[in-house]
Amino acid sequence: DTEVTQTPKHLVMGMTNKKSLKCEQHMGHRAMYWYKQKAKKPPELMFVYSYEKLSINESVPSRFSPECPNSSLLNLHLHALQPEDSALYLCASSRGQGDYEQYFGPGTRLTVT
Amino acid sequence: QKEVEQNSGPLSVPEGAIASLNCTYSDRGSQSFFWYRQYSGKSPELIMFIYSNGDKEDGRFTAQLNKASQYVSLLIRDSQPSDSATYLCAVNMNRDDKIIFGKGTRLHILP
Repeated sequence: DTEVTQTPKHLVMGMTNKKSLKCEQHMGHRAMYWYKQKAKKPPELMFVYSYEKLSINESVPSRFSPECPNSSLLNLHLHALQPEDSALYLCASSRGQGDYEQYFGPGTRLTVT
Repeated sequence: QKEVEQNSGPLSVPEGAIASLNCTYSDRGSQSFFWYRQYSGKSPELIMFIYSNGDKEDGRFTAQLNKASQYVSLLIRDSQPSDSATYLCAVNMNRDDKIIFGKGTRLHILP
């Protein structure tokens, strides 16, 4: 089973709203990732959690706040976003510890109005 | 600047022919190489990975790695219209949990 699930599939939010994106995997993977992808661009890494600890933050603005409640779950809390933050937000996971094959979820299409 | 480079395309290939997708990378110490397929509006799907010099085959797909030339390629045999997608090359350079993506090559299989 190489399934990563993400909810919601689509999200429209105003610039003053607070919302959260959720990601779940049951593959026993110990590394989880958030990416942002704009149209016709490659995925852009935002955060990496390894063994439930934040290991990489790619200088992401503080209006994006990640959380890893346990080894299977990853959240991305959104607050005071800008219209330019509209994008496809992808979650991925990998076994970690030298195994870098990443498996992506279907993504959340976010529109900020 | 550590980079992964791909021709953006579009690469047009007749149905039934071999599609050849190429990728070069800048860090000679890179160890892990990945090919993802991404259909429009969908998420990337891992289709091949290769760690050792040479060829790795999986069905109609063959990944080729030449570390001396810092070059990795993906061959798709008997191309089908359903292979039309963007193909992303990705490389792990630092032996951490991060992979660097190329900009992707758009492949169009002509019926």
